[in-house]
Amino acid sequence: GAVVSQHPSRVICKSGTSVKIECRSLDFQATTMFWYRQFPKQSLMLMATSNEGSKATYEQGVEKDKFLINHASLTLSTLTVTSAHPEDSSFYICSATGGATLGTDTQYFGPGTRLTVL
Amino acid sequence: SQQGEEDPQALSIQEGENATMNCSYKTSINNLQWYRQNSGRGLVHLILIRSNEREKHSGRLRVTLDTSKKSSSLLITASRAADTASYFCAGGTSYGKLTFGQGTILTVHP
Repeated sequence: GAVVSQHPSRVICKSGTSVKIECRSLDFQATTMFWYRQFPKQSLMLMATSNEGSKATYEQGVEKDKFLINHASLTLSTLTVTSAHPEDSSFYICSATGGATLGTDTQYFGPGTRLTVL
Repeated sequence: SQQGEEDPQALSIQEGENATMNCSYKTSINNLQWYRQNSGRGLVHLILIRSNEREKHSGRLRVTLDTSKKSSSLLITASRAADTASYFCAGGTSYGKLTFGQGTILTVHP
């Protein structure tokens, strides 16, 4: 149980295009989802926290107009990287907590999405 | 911002040996968690220790927490080649937010 999927696993796009990444909780309702980015051989940096039906809370230094987050249902959150540039190339990972069912302490992580912007 | 330092940054051992990784954190926490990441993959939750606990075991894992020193350690006993991965500690708040440490790259040689 507590499986989180991400789609796509890899994406290559041209500079200036927008890319959407989906994060789904497959067997539980995710009250809260988190988005992280990870550069090679570095740790995870939290980008934003999203709760179903409300606006995402962005960490300091993360441009909300650049990284659009939508959490429209209890099983789906999306991250859209708008007008992507090469410096946005990174590994994006989502996670989810399961609220009353699974608790809020443990985050269940998706497999990540490798974004390469040419 | 990152939670703090982990040491060592890299650890190379032989199969069967024990591996110890340390983590220090800066802010107040509700719990301290350890995660494992295989190369290019997502993270897998290993163990959680609450701020009022001092030690916890799970299989071959033993984690300690010293809130006075704001530090934690993860011990993997009788390591296996399959334990090769990056290990991250993360400080958790009461509302579920995690702040990750820099990570330790563990290599276990068969």
